[in-house]
Amino acid sequence: NAGVTQTPKFQVLKTGQSMTLQCAQDMNHEYMSWYRQDPGMGLRLIHYSVGAGITDQGEVPNGYNVSRSTTEDFPLRLLSAAPSQTSVYFCATHGSGGTNYGYTFGSGTRLTVV
Amino acid sequence: AQKVTQAQTEISVVEKEDVTLDCVYETRDTTYYLFWYKQPPSGELVFLIRRNSFDEQNEISGRYSWNFQKSTSSFNFTITASQVVDSAVYFCALSEAGQGAQKLVFGQGTRLTINP
Repeated sequence: NAGVTQTPKFQVLKTGQSMTLQCAQDMNHEYMSWYRQDPGMGLRLIHYSVGAGITDQGEVPNGYNVSRSTTEDFPLRLLSAAPSQTSVYFCATHGSGGTNYGYTFGSGTRLTVV
Repeated sequence: AQKVTQAQTEISVVEKEDVTLDCVYETRDTTYYLFWYKQPPSGELVFLIRRNSFDEQNEISGRYSWNFQKSTSSFNFTITASQVVDSAVYFCALSEAGQGAQKLVFGQGTRLTINP
């Protein structure tokens, strides 16, 4: 039972390049989300999804696209990378209903844009 | 708008000391959830606790305890008899209930260093 799997773990991009950060979950959770972590700022929500085919913007969505074609996968796309997108990215899931557990986070992707 | 403030950027104590990490939150919702996460040097986020706004009972789990006070909008975390393995960055977070539950608002984090 892998939980939430993020790939790659590390990535270096040149300014203007595009890439997709992958996130897959095997927990059958409806909700998935992407956060970025920057020094001194905690984690901030980029985009989220409440189910397949449904996505919405979070606090810092500019420069990122998402789609949710299946329950399991929620990729994050950088169309034209910028140095300001250098960060650690976390994917998270959680289920609906009266459960008593918190979000489950992936292990993170450390992205550097040069 | 929701906001979480962790005023303590860094804390350093000697092993076996007790330490309290402060968390103050702001929300207009009457139903909400509060969380604590631990981020060890390896970088992953480890879930510690979730508390809903209707449950103000204090929680104890081993050396960890949490004090939730709605009157002061605080959800503080205490580690008793700290150990070197407790060294990590700790995040407090807040979410709405219902459809807003997928949006976690994090504090800035407190870096805790336990010295042997």
